[in-house]
Amino acid sequence: DQQVKQNSPSLSVQEGRISILNCDYTNSMFDYFLWYKKYPAEGPTFLISISSIKDKNEDGRFTVFLNKSAKHLSLHIVPSQPGDSAVYFCAASRGGSNYKLTFGKGTLLTVNP
Amino acid sequence: KAGVTQTPRYLIKTRGQQVTLSCSPISGHRSVSWYQQTPGQGLQFLFEYFSETQRNKGNFPGRFSGRQFSNSRSEMNVSTLELGDSALYLCASSPAAGTGSYEQYFGPGTRLTVT
Repeated sequence: DQQVKQNSPSLSVQEGRISILNCDYTNSMFDYFLWYKKYPAEGPTFLISISSIKDKNEDGRFTVFLNKSAKHLSLHIVPSQPGDSAVYFCAASRGGSNYKLTFGKGTLLTVNP
Repeated sequence: KAGVTQTPRYLIKTRGQQVTLSCSPISGHRSVSWYQQTPGQGLQFLFEYFSETQRNKGNFPGRFSGRQFSNSRSEMNVSTLELGDSALYLCASSPAAGTGSYEQYFGPGTRLTVT
């Protein structure tokens, strides 16, 4: 049972445009959501997170939106840069003392110059 | 601060052997988690340690075990290796509990190949 789903395996955008990566979840107990970026042969790098009490969080070019009623979150990258090309993972936690992260399968973002 | 370090980076073992992987968390981080990444299953949670105690556990067989030392360093052990254990094993550390955030910071991983 895949509790966190990233339905787009890949996404291609032009440099300078907006990249929108989507993520859906099924477990209503999830309380905290995170996005990670991963380059080949490296560990995931934390990008941005959001608590379920918020619907938006911004950090520079990265903004995460959370729609709890739809169990959906998205990551917006504006403007996209070629260095953003990587696999992006959505992850969720139940919070409390539970530090287990449940990951989606990832979306490969390619930003073309 | 130095990041999460994992040793060794690459390992080749034979089916039936056992293996021990090591992880040093970011200084001051007390929670250490382990994940397995494979092409088919993606990133899957193995277990999490906090203050030398296993606090959370994923759905892996008992062949997978771990421990944490008083300095927060952690090791994971896989006994009786199977071909399907070939994967990238990732360690992640988190700041002290009670911060209200659940960000985990990952090491570069150990690539285990079982032949």
